[in-house]
Amino acid sequence: QLQLQESGPGLVKPSETLSLTCSVSGGSVSSCAYFWGWIRQTPGKGLEWIATMYCGGNIHYNPSLKSRVTISADTSKNQLSLKLNSVTAADTAVYYCAAPRYQWGQGTLVTVSS
Amino acid sequence: QAVVTQEPSLTVSPGGTITLTCGSSSGAVTSGHWPYWFQEKPGQVPRTLIFDATNKHSWTPARFSGSLLGGKAALTLSGAQPEDEADYYCLLFYDGVGVFGGGTKLTVL
Repeated sequence: QLQLQESGPGLVKPSETLSLTCSVSGGSVSSCAYFWGWIRQTPGKGLEWIATMYCGGNIHYNPSLKSRVTISADTSKNQLSLKLNSVTAADTAVYYCAAPRYQWGQGTLVTVSS
Repeated sequence: QAVVTQEPSLTVSPGGTITLTCGSSSGAVTSGHWPYWFQEKPGQVPRTLIFDATNKHSWTPARFSGSLLGGKAALTLSGAQPEDEADYYCLLFYDGVGVFGGGTKLTVL
């Protein structure tokens, strides 16, 4: 069964870079059976799609975040990663990785504060 | 970026039938938007109910069904149960990027 688990710092200072990892088990991040997404959720803005990764490394970013975000996959570790730079308080959210067709990670709360 | 619209809240009686819809500001929703429906209950992670407009998982209760209806994606619940009270989100894809609707809070009462 596909399982995903996000990890990373729960607190990031303004203007710094938010970095999260998603460990995948029960399936391969390089498999074309899946596509992957990074998503965040805030009480005020609901669910927001951050980026999509399709097999072969085809990546699509939310235009509103594109200038600040990078996602990638480490096939040797079977992990996905998210980097969001120049963060502000508006980036405080629960961040999820997901194979949307099948499974979401448990999510990790990231707070941006000095 | 397109805006995806859902009813903010709906109420259904136990055993009743209700349809939630998902519209797009860019025009009719089609299979090319790969519509998804997720169920989220308090304190839980969203769960995929429907993918690619009409497809279910083994864990999707049979009373849920997805369709394209009148230019929108639709999620129909036939025979509502108390445990179906939840938030429901649709997700559409535009050139590979997902856009969520604002969610529908479904009350079973």
